Amino acid sequence: SQLAEENPWALSVHEGESVTVNCSYKTSITALQWYRQKSGEGPAQLILIRSNEREKRNGRLRATLDTSSQSSSLSITATRCEDTAVYFCATAPGAGNKLTFGIGTRVLVRP
Amino acid sequence: GPKVLQIPSHQIIDMGQMVTLNCDPVSNHLYFYWYKQILGQQMEFLVNFYNGKVMEKSKLFKDQFSVERPDGSYFTLKIQPTALEDSAVYFCASSLKGQEVFFGKGTRLTVV
Repeated sequence: SQLAEENPWALSVHEGESVTVNCSYKTSITALQWYRQKSGEGPAQLILIRSNEREKRNGRLRATLDTSSQSSSLSITATRCEDTAVYFCATAPGAGNKLTFGIGTRVLVRP
Repeated sequence: GPKVLQIPSHQIIDMGQMVTLNCDPVSNHLYFYWYKQILGQQMEFLVNFYNGKVMEKSKLFKDQFSVERPDGSYFTLKIQPTALEDSAVYFCASSLKGQEVFFGKGTRLTVV
């Protein structure tokens, strides 16, 4: 199945610190997406990294992809309180197909 | 950025009644999705829709569920009749090419 799983289940950091969330997935992918969901909101896409890319950056965010180990990571540097959210990785077998989300990693950034 | 609007944000309905959840996707998008999320749990795929047709539906997409985009604007999820276990937050999403997917803020459905 196209299951994606994040780990750890939860993380807590102080503002200004860095945090990394990991994701493992099964089967082959064309791309992996990282989403953030804040309380009371829908998921917002942060980074889409294609299978031929090893790293992608978006401001304070950095995603890596290792297709050999079927894993990805999302790092956030210089965290802010507003980064507090649940972070999901999601995969799909192809464009337009269903996204399969993991259960997410809950990140709490404390002042 | 592009916004997907969901109306209403919260709906309470008696078990057995019909409910229609409305979604106003991003105007030029071609792919449409519904997801279900029970509080604190993961997002679960219900159905996706392209070119006027359902592409794929999950086991959660029961016979009581239906989707359509009748006038080319709103994308709707209808549940008839509703059951207690349908209580959840329903997220609509849309995408232009099926990769960058934009989600709405969800409609919280409470079946009583």
